[in-house]
Amino acid sequence: GAVVSQHPSWVICKSGTSVKIECRSLDFQATTMFWYRQFPKQSLMLMATSNEGSKATYEQGVEKDKFLINHASLTLSTLTVTSAHPEDSSFYICSARLRGGVGPDTQYFGPGTRLTVL
Amino acid sequence: GESVGLHLPTLSVQEGDNSIINCAYSNSASDYFIWYKQESGKGPQFIIDIRSNMDKRQGQRVTVLLNKTVKHLSLQIAATQPGDSAVYFCAENQGAAGNKLTFGGGTRVLVKP
Repeated sequence: GAVVSQHPSWVICKSGTSVKIECRSLDFQATTMFWYRQFPKQSLMLMATSNEGSKATYEQGVEKDKFLINHASLTLSTLTVTSAHPEDSSFYICSARLRGGVGPDTQYFGPGTRLTVL
Repeated sequence: GESVGLHLPTLSVQEGDNSIINCAYSNSASDYFIWYKQESGKGPQFIIDIRSNMDKRQGQRVTVLLNKTVKHLSLQIAATQPGDSAVYFCAENQGAAGNKLTFGGGTRVLVKP
């Protein structure tokens, strides 16, 4: 149980286009989902916290108009990278916190999405 | 360990030996500290966590030690196996901030057969 999926697993797009990444909790409900970005050989950096039915909370330095987050249901959050540029190329990872869960072991990570912007 | 630019600290260990991975954290208000394992091209996998009011916790083949005096966390892996080869990250959980995780720099573990 407690599986989080991401779609697509990888995507290549042209500069200036927008890309949507989906994060789904497959067998549990998640009131909170988190989006991270990871550059090669670096750590995960939290971009934003997404709560079902409300606006996402963005970390300092993350442009909310560029990285649009929607959390429309208890099992789905989406991240849209708008007008993508090569510097947005990265590994994007989501995590989902089990509804009612307490403790870090109730936060489950997706497999990540590799975005390459040409 | 801490990541420095594009270089991850690497720990090479012989199969069967014990591994010790270290991490320094920054926020004394964190309520949990966690170790994750990340294999190439995959998301992080939870290994073990420890509450801030504890100093040691053991799991299957893993032990986490917490020293709040010097803000230091370590992960010990007993009898390291080839499948343990991965990048290991420590993370701090801030429950008061909506359970946000702050990840430390990673350490790559290479297990030599």
